[in-house]
Amino acid sequence: NAGVMQNPRHLVRRRGQEARLRCSPMKGHSHVYWYRQLPEEGLKFMVYLQKENIIDESGMPKERFSAEFPKEGPSILRIQQVVRGDSAAYFCASSPQQGATNEKLFFGSGTQLSVL
Amino acid sequence: AQSVTQLGSHVSVSEGALVLLRCNYSSSVPPYLFWYVQYPNQGLQLLLKYTTGATLVKGINGFEAEFKKSETSFHLTKPSAHMSDAAEYFCAVSEGYTGNQFYFGTGTSLTVIP
Repeated sequence: NAGVMQNPRHLVRRRGQEARLRCSPMKGHSHVYWYRQLPEEGLKFMVYLQKENIIDESGMPKERFSAEFPKEGPSILRIQQVVRGDSAAYFCASSPQQGATNEKLFFGSGTQLSVL
Repeated sequence: AQSVTQLGSHVSVSEGALVLLRCNYSSSVPPYLFWYVQYPNQGLQLLLKYTTGATLVKGINGFEAEFKKSETSFHLTKPSAHMSDAAEYFCAVSEGYTGNQFYFGTGTSLTVIP
């Protein structure tokens, strides 16, 4: 059973371009969480999704950022018109049930976004 | 509101020495507390967690942590450091069992000196 897969591992974009980060949850997991780690900061919650639904996006910037978790395929975190401040490590976690505290929550290895 | 403070962004210990990583939290509800470890180029891995019950929690790789409500602390310890313990350690708090998010500290990088 493969773990949570994130790709790409490293993504380089120029200012103004779009960034798409993908997260394939573990098999059987229908709950996905996205976190962002800025330099010298802890991980910050961004969004929590279940299949085809956004449950909690309280940590998501209001502009340029969006997330989806379609019925088929990976969860996508999309950042439009990237700026240098978007440079960070983006982590995805998945779980078979609600609640970030359950023991079946697993994190991916992250995507390092660098904006030039 | 929940928040976590990790004192010391970098900690160095000699191999075989005691490891102590500090974590203090604030929470408006009874907290659920966690320690995660991140090895280079890997995702976060759960070391241990406290939800209810016994305040001394044992985790993987010989680590343990004690929940002290009066001190609002959840420090991580290991009696004898191994070279393989070198990693980034994150303390986190959650809003109870059904909470949808963690609040993470800024992390502590542990270096083990041979």
